[in-house]
Amino acid sequence: DAKTTQPPSMDCAEGRAANLPCNHSTISGNEYVYWYRQIHSQGPQYIIHGLKNNETNEMASLIITEDRKSSTLILPHATLRDTAVYYCIVDYTDKLIFGTGTRLQVFP
Amino acid sequence: DTGVSQNPRHKITKRGQNVTFRCDPISEHNRLYWYRQTLGQGPEFLTYFQNEAQLEKSRLLSDRFSAERPKGSFSTLEIQRTEQGDSAMYLCASSTAGAGKTQYFGPGTRLLVL
Repeated sequence: DAKTTQPPSMDCAEGRAANLPCNHSTISGNEYVYWYRQIHSQGPQYIIHGLKNNETNEMASLIITEDRKSSTLILPHATLRDTAVYYCIVDYTDKLIFGTGTRLQVFP
Repeated sequence: DTGVSQNPRHKITKRGQNVTFRCDPISEHNRLYWYRQTLGQGPEFLTYFQNEAQLEKSRLLSDRFSAERPKGSFSTLEIQRTEQGDSAMYLCASSTAGAGKTQYFGPGTRLLVL
């Protein structure tokens, strides 16, 4: 079973920041937090990952709480092309266990 | 394009037939993974290889499923005597070895068993 909990769906206005939460209260000290997204009928796309520190790349920012029991993926300026299912995964063994993710709908 | 590639992209077959899918990983990646995704669900792990060695198989991988990676490069996933329940998207991913290494996914092969 997935070790993460995400809201099933969220909406965001185009141009605004999208903040996607994830709970992983049973995370172990050596497990990373990964975020992927999947646009309809395509393979999952890697977004970002982190262990303890906050991370930022050209796609998004990842904020991990100090106790590591939750995290937030931030898309700073959402566009219509960001409409997708977003998966939060904790992993150590290299075997990704996906939940059902958050369906983000970006509207004009 | 140096990403993960999968062929074919779509496959329609009749129940009872055998099918084979191919995955070509990113060239420097020594790990290769297979996942299956049914409608409305997240991908489910099936099996993975490090080089040519198959290191783990999920209980989802029944005896009708077999995966190979003979030279540690491309991999094939064969399903024998297909059943309607095998209809799904079959995804391949690759990575380098070790914790914190990112898996990159291919576009998937969508299988429909009639």
